[in-house]
Amino acid sequence: DTAVSQTPKYLVTQMGNDKSIKCEQNLGHDTMYWYKQDSKKFLKIMFSYNNKELIINETVPNRFSPKSPDKAHLNLHINSLELGDSAVYFCASSLTGQRQETQYFGPGTRLLVL
Amino acid sequence: AQSVTQPDIHITVSEGASLELRCNYSYGATPYLFWYVQSPGQGLQLLLKYFSGDTLVQGIKGFEAEFKRSQSSFNLRKPSVHWSDAAEYFCAVGRSNYQLIWGAGTKLIIKP
Repeated sequence: DTAVSQTPKYLVTQMGNDKSIKCEQNLGHDTMYWYKQDSKKFLKIMFSYNNKELIINETVPNRFSPKSPDKAHLNLHINSLELGDSAVYFCASSLTGQRQETQYFGPGTRLLVL
Repeated sequence: AQSVTQPDIHITVSEGASLELRCNYSYGATPYLFWYVQSPGQGLQLLLKYFSGDTLVQGIKGFEAEFKRSQSSFNLRKPSVHWSDAAEYFCAVGRSNYQLIWGAGTKLIIKP
């Protein structure tokens, strides 16, 4: 009955590879997010989708491509992985309305690029 | 520019002692304010939030926070910390476009 789930939890890969991270939420939320947390714990928003429509697209290399097949899923595909992509990637979701609602986070995907 | 400042990168507190984590924000409109906690190797969990009304907000795990508009602050407090409170704590401000502005986090270390 996990609210926001991510797979895989750990991902170790070589430079230059392409990888995907999947996120699913069963909260009935209509907005989903991808965050990157670096080694200093700083959280950076990458993307946000509302009802499958991209609404936030921060300055992120175009090697990163989000895809939202439906409101409950938001996947992140990364091409040509680089050492600097090593980080923890968090998925989150919220229910939009007239005010900023609480974001619920997944457990994170720890990506290590060698 | 909108921003959130957590002045303390890390704080060390003895178990059983009281705790206050500072958060200051810069935001033009009425802020929506959040405190999240991240335990080691875990995701972020909401501790409490302020949208409107009573400026003293109660959260989970015995935490509370007070919104002070005149000081642009939303400090997190707990009367008596437990070893399990050791974690990273994040303050955030909600923008109108569903985005959160995050502080850099404060690492709480508990001394036995």
